[in-house]
Amino acid sequence: AQRVTQPEKLLSVFKGAPVELKCNYSYSGSPELFWYVQYSRQRLQLLLRHISRESIKGFTADLNKGETSFHLKKPFAQEEDSAMYYCALSAYNTDKLIFGTGTRLQVFP
Amino acid sequence: NAGVTQTPKFQVLKTGQSMTLQCAQDMNHNSMYWYRQDPGMGLRLIYYSASEGTTDKGEVPNGYNVSRLNKREFSLRLESAAPSQTSVYFCASRDLGEQYFGPGTRLTVT
Repeated sequence: AQRVTQPEKLLSVFKGAPVELKCNYSYSGSPELFWYVQYSRQRLQLLLRHISRESIKGFTADLNKGETSFHLKKPFAQEEDSAMYYCALSAYNTDKLIFGTGTRLQVFP
Repeated sequence: NAGVTQTPKFQVLKTGQSMTLQCAQDMNHNSMYWYRQDPGMGLRLIYYSASEGTTDKGEVPNGYNVSRLNKREFSLRLESAAPSQTSVYFCASRDLGEQYFGPGTRLTVT
């Protein structure tokens, strides 16, 4: 079965500290992985997708097929990064996204 | 270009009442989705529609019905609301992998 696991419900760091939000998935084929972000009182929006291999707002994520992980990283957290982050998986040739339970990132000044 | 819009933004229902949540997108997307968001549960798919005229169940369809009225509109109906349906509901549409979300409807069932 397809599943996305985000083991941390809450991650708290101080401004300037490195951040890593963990995401593990289970899927037998080649998935497409995404990170979505939801800032306070805003709608969910796409942050990253693994096929684009780009850095958005200083965040990067690398797909590790051996460890079935897609962790989100940022070397120096900013207060404006405080938000809810969701990892999501799309199985090949389907229209559905499977979301993890989300990790709330709090960045303290 | 409004993207994905949802109405209403807030709603309070009594147990047993019915209501329809409306969703529309102006991006000409084929696929549309309804999710519910609950603390600690993340986003769970209720129903989706891969194209006009088709709908399929998601992870938590019980207690809900949907209608894909046309390519733009995808409504979610609660026939007999229950307190367990208290949640925030998000509509989304999808194109080339990326999902675009609406602002959400906060529903409380007392």
